[in-house]
Amino acid sequence: AQTVTQSQPEMSVQEAETVTLSCTYDTSESDYYLFWYKQPPSRQMILVIRQEAYKQQNATENRFSVNFQKAAKSFSLKISDSQLGDAAMYFCAYRSYGGSQGNLIFGKGTKLSVKP
Amino acid sequence: SAVISQKPSRDICQRGTSLTIQCQVDSQVTMMFWYRQQPGQSLTLIATANQGSEATYESGFVIDKFPISRPNLTFSTLTVSNMSPEDSSIYLCSVVLDNYNEQFFGPGTRLTVL
Repeated sequence: AQTVTQSQPEMSVQEAETVTLSCTYDTSESDYYLFWYKQPPSRQMILVIRQEAYKQQNATENRFSVNFQKAAKSFSLKISDSQLGDAAMYFCAYRSYGGSQGNLIFGKGTKLSVKP
Repeated sequence: SAVISQKPSRDICQRGTSLTIQCQVDSQVTMMFWYRQQPGQSLTLIATANQGSEATYESGFVIDKFPISRPNLTFSTLTVSNMSPEDSSIYLCSVVLDNYNEQFFGPGTRLTVL
C-alpha cells in the first residue's frame, strides 16, 4: 500500500522569504500523480500544484514550485516570496495512475505560519 | 473548474441521532467522493459514489453507518448514522471532472456530536 509522510508538523516563515515543505512517499508503482493541497482556516481544500511522475520537469505555478525526486520518492514544495495569505495547512497527496480517481492518499499535513 | 456546495456547513448533534449531508456540484460528474477529516488529522476516503450504482466503501467504513445516495450526476448525500462523539469530524465532498485530472473539494461540513 502507498503511504505519504510529511515530517514537519509545523513550519514558520517570514513574509517575503522562501520556505520548503517536505514530503516523502512510498510506492511500488512507476506511474502516479503527486499533489500539494492547501487548506486555510476556511476548510476549503485548494489544489496548489500537481506533478505527473512520468514528467522529469518539476512543476511550477507562480510562486509555488516542487522538487520532485522520483528515485528518492521525495516531493517537496517551495513557496517563494511568502505572503500572509499562504498561511494554511498544506497536504501532500498521492494518487495511482489509472486507479480510482478519488483515492487520494494524504499525508498528515504541515501547518505553515507566515510572520509579518 | 467545479463549484461544490455542501449543506449544512456545520451542525451539533446528539449521540444516537443521524445527520444527512448534501453535496451539490455545478456540473455533471461521474464520480463523487466522500472524505472524513478528524480533528487535527488528514483526510481519509470514506467511499466513492457513482451515479446508478452502489457506493464503494473503503476499509473501515460500512454502508450501515455511512449510507450514501447518488440520485443524479450533480448531487449526492452522505448520512452519518447512530452518531457518537467519535464521529465528530469534517466531512468533505469531492469530485473529479470527467476527462480532467484535477480533484475539487467542497467546503466541508463540520460535525460535532455531543
